[in-house]
Formats: sequence, structure tokens, C-alpha cells
Amino acid sequence: VQLVESGGGLVKPGGSLRLSCAASGFTFSSYAMSWVRQAPGKGLEWVSTISGSGDSVYYADSVKGRFTISRDTSKNTLYLQMNSLRAEDMALYYCAKDGLPVVGDYWYFDYWGQGTRVTVSS
Amino acid sequence: EIVMTQSPATLSVSPGERATLSCRASQSVGSNLAWYQQKPGQAPRLLIYAASTRATGIPARFSGRGSGTEFTLTISSLQSEDFAVYFCHQYNKSPFYTFGQGTKLEIK
Repeated sequence: VQLVESGGGLVKPGGSLRLSCAASGFTFSSYAMSWVRQAPGKGLEWVSTISGSGDSVYYADSVKGRFTISRDTSKNTLYLQMNSLRAEDMALYYCAKDGLPVVGDYWYFDYWGQGTRVTVSS
Repeated sequence: EIVMTQSPATLSVSPGERATLSCRASQSVGSNLAWYQQKPGQAPRLLIYAASTRATGIPARFSGRGSGTEFTLTISSLQSEDFAVYFCHQYNKSPFYTFGQGTKLEIK
């Protein structure tokens, strides 16, 4: 299993970024996928989850209405569109794979990518 | 939201000794709890899921116990590579996941 994030960078407050996570080594469409972030020197914060089919999406209150999670099964890629970025969104963003291929339920994360850094600053 | 509280924030232990880390949930999470290890500059690594099941490739010196609101992670004989930050993670109210703030395990 390999998860490789990209798309991070420096953006001004109010700006947008789209993160990508290229997945390989497993049947991508069978597993829910999530984004988890970690601010510098801080703990882990769940951001968003999408079901294996892509039909169900969930967001933390802190990003609801600003971030959109999606997936492209043909490309084995997970995305996070981030709009109206704020200073408090600055973090290392990890994509993570669900531990079990169970439709309609969500589990622990058995694999994580190395992360992509988002910096929000004027 | 289920709040996960880990203690202590920092634990100083000598190599070869036992370390016990605690995680408490603000409401019952059943056995839907995982532990991760994170080393500087690295992604978290799954150690334990379902409160007590070791993930693939995790050495037997790592063990997890508990259910409901009280959980522990024990490392029976610390090796140099075990000094890291450990996070607990509840997935009972999934996918509205929450994590503990972490326990830093440092060399005494």
C-alpha cells in the first residue's frame, strides 16, 4: 500500500488549494478514505471522510462549507478542495486509508501517507 | 464530540523498562479504539486496533487493553526505536473521529 499526497503550498488567507492523494497497492474503490491534519507541534485532527463509492462524505465542523472531499476511482486518487483558507488551516495534511472494506461503516486508519504541508500566510 | 484525554503528556522511561500510557474517553467508545506511533518527520503508524489487536508486523511487546472509557497501551520492554509520540483514536462515532492529544515517550 502506498499513499502519496501532493498539492500543498503557500496560500494567502481566503485563497484556495487542491490536495491530491495517489493511492496504490489495494482496491481503491473498496475503502473509505480520509484526510487528517496536524498543525505544527500539535496533535491529529480529523478533517473529512469519503466512502468507497464516493456517495457519502463527512466533514469536521471546522471545515464544513469550505472544504470538499472527492475521489476518482479511475485514477485511484483522493482529493481535498480547500477554499476560504484561514490561518488555522495551516497544517500537514495526511490522507489515510480505512482499515476495513465495510460499506457504510468506518474504522481505524491502517495506512497513512507522508503528508503535504499547507501554509496560510499573507 | 467524544473527547479523548491522554496521560501523561510526557513519560520518561529507561530502555528495557515497561511503559504504560493511558487514554480516557469522555463517553463509552466500546472497543473502537486504536493506538498510533509517530516519530519525528514521519506519518503515524497503526499499532493497535479494536483496543487490543496488534496490527500487522507490530512486535508482541506492544499490548493494548481496555473498553468503554478507559484504555492503556503498554510497551513491555522499551527499545530505542520505541521513543516517539503515541496517539489514541476513537472510531466509535465514526467517521466523526477524535484523537487524544498524544503522549511523548522519552528516554530517561
